[in-house]
Amino acid sequence: EAGVAQSPRYKIIEKRQSVAFWCNPISGHATLYWYQQILGQGPKLLIQFQNNGVVDDSQLPKDRFSAERLKGVDSTLKIQPAKLEDSAVYLCASSLARGPPLNIQYFGAGTRLSVL
Amino acid sequence: QKEVEQNSGPLSVPEGAIASLNCTYSDRGSQSFFWYRQYSGKSPELIMFIYSNGDKEDGRFTAQLNKASQYVSLLIRDSQPSDSATYLCAVGDMRFGAGTRLTVKP
Repeated sequence: EAGVAQSPRYKIIEKRQSVAFWCNPISGHATLYWYQQILGQGPKLLIQFQNNGVVDDSQLPKDRFSAERLKGVDSTLKIQPAKLEDSAVYLCASSLARGPPLNIQYFGAGTRLSVL
Repeated sequence: QKEVEQNSGPLSVPEGAIASLNCTYSDRGSQSFFWYRQYSGKSPELIMFIYSNGDKEDGRFTAQLNKASQYVSLLIRDSQPSDSATYLCAVGDMRFGAGTRLTVKP
């Protein structure tokens, strides 16, 4: 079974530029999550999708971050414009469903973003 | 604000010892609890999940959940150097703690 795919693996941009990350979840997984993990900290949930609908985006900085999951499969996370403090690893995860016992998450390899 | 708290460590144990990792959470309505292991530069990988009060054992790992006291713990028996990593506690709606760094010394 293929895992969660993310691209790119690394991205270096200058502040005020825009950047986009892509995620393809495990086949059949209805729930998709985007996390931001700053060095030395735990993952912070940015947004959670159930199929193509947003379940939780309470911690998403909506003035600069946006995300979509068209057709309930692939998802993209965009930052525009980027700030220095956005330097982090962006993790995508997916699970079969939201509630137990189907909410076990599987993570992609992540995208490491450096904003200069 | 829903909080998940972990001792940041670092926690250092000798090889063969028991490592004990703890996590407390604020949301009494949480129904599911997870422990993830994260090696440096890698993404989190699931070790254990637990939904009911009590203990759950899987090989060298035991998760313990006490909903009344709002804590969940992870015990690693016969710790190995390969267990050296950061251990992340995640609760219910996918709030993660900051993680505890564990070092197992040969």
